[in-house]
Amino acid sequence: DADVTQTPRNRITKTGKRIMLECSQTKGHDRMYWYRQDPGLGLRLIYYSFDVKDINKGEISDGYSVSRQAQAKFSLSLESAIPNQTALYFCATSDGITEAFFGQGTRLTVV
Amino acid sequence: AQKVTQAQTEISVVEKEDVTLDCVYETRDTTYYLFWYKQPPSGELVFLIRRNSFDEQNEISGRYSWNFQKSTSSFNFTITASQVVDSAVYFCALRGYNNDMRFGAGTRLTVKP
Repeated sequence: DADVTQTPRNRITKTGKRIMLECSQTKGHDRMYWYRQDPGLGLRLIYYSFDVKDINKGEISDGYSVSRQAQAKFSLSLESAIPNQTALYFCATSDGITEAFFGQGTRLTVV
Repeated sequence: AQKVTQAQTEISVVEKEDVTLDCVYETRDTTYYLFWYKQPPSGELVFLIRRNSFDEQNEISGRYSWNFQKSTSSFNFTITASQVVDSAVYFCALRGYNNDMRFGAGTRLTVKP
């Protein structure tokens, strides 16, 4: 099994719908991250969390919310999806010292 | 605020050429970590190297080498004798003291046979 699992892997949704992307990890790391990737812009940080009681905004948090349900689970929600949120989304985990481990990505299309 | 700049958007080389990918960073932290990741066409992110701010030794791993220079805030990546399988997008990243991890925009490397 993968260390970091994202579900779903692909999703098409309509404008205005609420959607949740889920991430779970088996690394035992306390730090978890959500990024979005757009062509030419690299990975941009949406939210990050150091533990279940600590949530921090990243570079582009507007239009997104997150929930850290447990140390191993960190979900990203789009309350009302819009087309410019079409992107590839990555979840990552870290122990703060070694490298970050990434999920396989979720390709989200908002039509 | 932390920032990573990869000025080269796309690079194209012919197989067996050497190629250097540039990375310049900005941070006010004295303790930080720098990373390189590779994203092949399949889309996953593959970790290549981590370097902490107190270790300026250059590193070589096979055909890959990294040059870390704090004086110029750069962490450049060189591929020697490039191969077609090196074709990918390469990302440089910075993780500061508060542990938010920022990425550059990436450099798309194409190695032609």
